[in-house]
Amino acid sequence: DIQVTQSPSSLSASVGDRVTVTCRASQNIGIYLAWYQQKPGRAPKALIYAASSLLSGVPSRFSGSGSGTDFTLTISNLQPEDFATYYCQQTSSTPRTFGQGTRVEIK
Amino acid sequence: EVELVESGGGLVQPGGSLRLSCAASGFSFSSHWMAWVRQAPGKGPEWVANIGDGGARKNYLDSVKGRFTISRDNVNNAQYLEMSSLRVEDTAVYYCARVGTGRSLWALDVWGQGTTVVVSS
Repeated sequence: DIQVTQSPSSLSASVGDRVTVTCRASQNIGIYLAWYQQKPGRAPKALIYAASSLLSGVPSRFSGSGSGTDFTLTISNLQPEDFATYYCQQTSSTPRTFGQGTRVEIK
Repeated sequence: EVELVESGGGLVQPGGSLRLSCAASGFSFSSHWMAWVRQAPGKGPEWVANIGDGGARKNYLDSVKGRFTISRDNVNNAQYLEMSSLRVEDTAVYYCARVGTGRSLWALDVWGQGTTVVVSS
């Protein structure tokens, strides 16, 4: 199985900050990576697919990059509604494993 | 509006069985692979299984193989997860999710609200 490691596990930031979350896969997954946002008590919501493509309706302050084994989710100009937990998921092979999550908290 | 609505969760004893359902609407159901993802309390999501658009191709998480069965009904736009020999560690919120097509590279682009399964004596 492909392991996916996210870092950091949590971070504190202020409105307007630029935030970066990283995801590392245990083997080359090309661009088969997705990012999700989850707020407490809610289902995850897809943000990015194919490492860097935004789903329709996702604000442009979200961006993704990377390929192979190392990936990044960046949130520019952090907004109050962005405080949540973010997960990456490798979609290269089954089981389609998720990272452990990064909780973005208000500083 | 694209929507997925799960049902069928509940409290079950270890060793028991449960059948989860997911009703889909607002999109061409038969054109999409579908998946089940679970999330144990305080943990991250865990992919459980997926099923091809025609229903023939299926993949499972190792820990549920032989105990869980995924299926779908393309006439009634629904998918199911039949769970048997349930264990305490199967306790989780179970989400139905749609697999995106084409360039989405298997991302889960639509999620239901989830149904809670509690396995406890």
